[in-house]
Amino acid sequence: EADIYQTPRYLVIGTGKKITLECSQTMGHDKMYWYQQDPGMELHLIHYSYGVNSTEKGDLSSESTVSRIRTEHFPLTLESARPSHTSQYLCASSETLAGQGDNEQFFGPGTRLTVL
Amino acid sequence: KNQVEQSPQSLIILEGKNCTLQCNYTVSPFSNLRWYKQDTGRGPVSLTIMTFSENTKSNGRYTATLDADTKQSSLHITASQLSDSASYICVVSDRGSTLGRLYFGRGTQLTVWP
Repeated sequence: EADIYQTPRYLVIGTGKKITLECSQTMGHDKMYWYQQDPGMELHLIHYSYGVNSTEKGDLSSESTVSRIRTEHFPLTLESARPSHTSQYLCASSETLAGQGDNEQFFGPGTRLTVL
Repeated sequence: KNQVEQSPQSLIILEGKNCTLQCNYTVSPFSNLRWYKQDTGRGPVSLTIMTFSENTKSNGRYTATLDADTKQSSLHITASQLSDSASYICVVSDRGSTLGRLYFGRGTQLTVWP
């Protein structure tokens, strides 16, 4: 089982609150990702990071922000949550091997966010 | 546009029966194709990975096939168990980016009944 953790697992909050979703991995992976997933829909990449101090926006526009100060930690923050942010948020990580652009992404268990 | 389409959207089978899930993709240039299993409320877990030159790969009761010419893949589950109930997601990676960009299907929701 992958050593990637997300907290909290479930979160119910009111509109306008600031929240941070935590993601940590102990595998020493350089790349980390945040995905958003709605029921019955595909995963959408919202943020990714190549390494420390590197963050990029993904394919799906998101009002959230991320930071990568430490290799193992990749938190996602919503400054002012809205009901449209209700979704499942999945964190993943992968390592870069020489000469290979793609390696398996290991996923955390996800955070189910509900904004009332 | 790079896309991954899966069928059926959902499937119900009896314990012990076999089933086959389908995946069609248009991702180019193609790097590899993975099948992931996602249990309810959990993150996806990789079952198999197939590159361009591979036609078949097995992982226990799971067997994946790939036809790179027609851009189709299938996942066959043999002698299904209750624990096989999950969403099975086809994920295709392109060769054109250093990020290793993944394209996800919407998954097939499999339910195994006793």
